[in-house]
Amino acid sequence: GAGVSQSPSNKVTEKGKDVELRCDPISGHTALYWYRQSLGQGLEFLIYFQGNSAPDKSGLPSDRFSAERTGGSVSTLTIQRTQQEDSAVYLCASSLGQGKGQPQHFGDGTRLSIL
Amino acid sequence: GQQLNQSPQSMFIQEGEDVSMNCTSSSIFNTWLWYKQDPGEGPVLLIALYKAGELTSNGRLTAQFGITRKDSFLNISASIPSDVGIYFCAGRGYGGSQGNLIFGKGTKLSVKP
Repeated sequence: GAGVSQSPSNKVTEKGKDVELRCDPISGHTALYWYRQSLGQGLEFLIYFQGNSAPDKSGLPSDRFSAERTGGSVSTLTIQRTQQEDSAVYLCASSLGQGKGQPQHFGDGTRLSIL
Repeated sequence: GQQLNQSPQSMFIQEGEDVSMNCTSSSIFNTWLWYKQDPGEGPVLLIALYKAGELTSNGRLTAQFGITRKDSFLNISASIPSDVGIYFCAGRGYGGSQGNLIFGKGTKLSVKP
């Protein structure tokens, strides 16, 4: 499709397990963002990739969270040793760049539930 | 750090009424964006604003970039049931480490037929 694609759409896992969330950005978009949205809350910035530059990881809440972007396209967000407070919707967005005039377009998110 | 306040948190209105919501920031922004999020979906861009004082419409929606560069509002005229959802403002400041967007906490809109 033409939009941002995320998978899985839902993930339920036990506390302590590792999870991987995937994001396929819009073709040609060089900027990719991950956000976390807790129930009834706004969007919390996690990490940002722009082209071949080093990612901005300033929003990652702990060292259990990491993300990669291979080949400048697909990105994977990994959460190790999951905790119940990690339960949230994880949203991915992409844009043509990160400058003015280049808004972010979002996927439908992965709803993560930690039991 | 930069903060963004969005109000009201929720609105419950009658179909046909006009709606207004706004966002204010603690620092100046060079971009204001308004998104709508339906349940189970990601936010969808409604209106993008890039100049102070800019007033932009998208159908029944109108948004403005405040002249102080620290605020923006979104108006919805003649609301209909499908306007139900959560509306988020988002802004991008000057400089900063990553140029990412800062999001408001959202305005939940409920429309009574």
